[in-house]
Amino acid sequence: IAGITQAPTSQILAAGRRMTLRCTQDMRHNAMYWYRQDLGLGLRLIHYSNTAGTTGKGEVPDGYSVSRANTDDFPLTLASAVPSQTSVYFCASSEGAGGPYNEQFFGPGTRLTVL
Amino acid sequence: GQNIDQPTEMTATEGAIVQINCTYQTSGFNGLFWYQQHAGEAPTFLSYNVLDGLEEKGRFSSFLSRSKGYSYLLLKELQMKDSASYLCAVMDSNYQLIWGAGTKLIIKP
Repeated sequence: IAGITQAPTSQILAAGRRMTLRCTQDMRHNAMYWYRQDLGLGLRLIHYSNTAGTTGKGEVPDGYSVSRANTDDFPLTLASAVPSQTSVYFCASSEGAGGPYNEQFFGPGTRLTVL
Repeated sequence: GQNIDQPTEMTATEGAIVQINCTYQTSGFNGLFWYQQHAGEAPTFLSYNVLDGLEEKGRFSSFLSRSKGYSYLLLKELQMKDSASYLCAVMDSNYQLIWGAGTKLIIKP
């Protein structure tokens, strides 16, 4: 079934630990995104990639890094987790990076708790 | 700064009509999206408006007025399964989506 998968589904992490959230899409979409969603706030963009080999910073990039070695995969790494990074993380993809082709398709999310 | 405003919560009755408003102030405009998000699930695309006017898709319609920085999502013949959060998002001049906090819609029988 075509779509986006994320792993893990949920994770409890000790502060200071390194963690990589995985995201894979099989729709051959060019653009991919990482968002965090916190209660009472809109989705906030962490990092994005308009095409394989390129990445960019979103609204809240500090403490996070990404890579886009190929079209399908877009992992998000927390180098040293802090409690304020407790959130639900959504990966999304879109065919292009503008216009009506920018309908974004979302993965199921990863619920991360940092203690 | 960029800002998207929508009501936090609304309540409506099964079978009725409800209108969810969204106002925005963004740096540039390249379209407005509405997404539906059921509790504990991912957002899913509902509609896209880039020109002024009404777009109808089954029970759901979305309206845009660019001069007023305003949109609404109209849901007709409400069903219990429509209980969800509805997210308004504007694509800015950098082709990034700016998201509102969402409107939680509660449907009562």
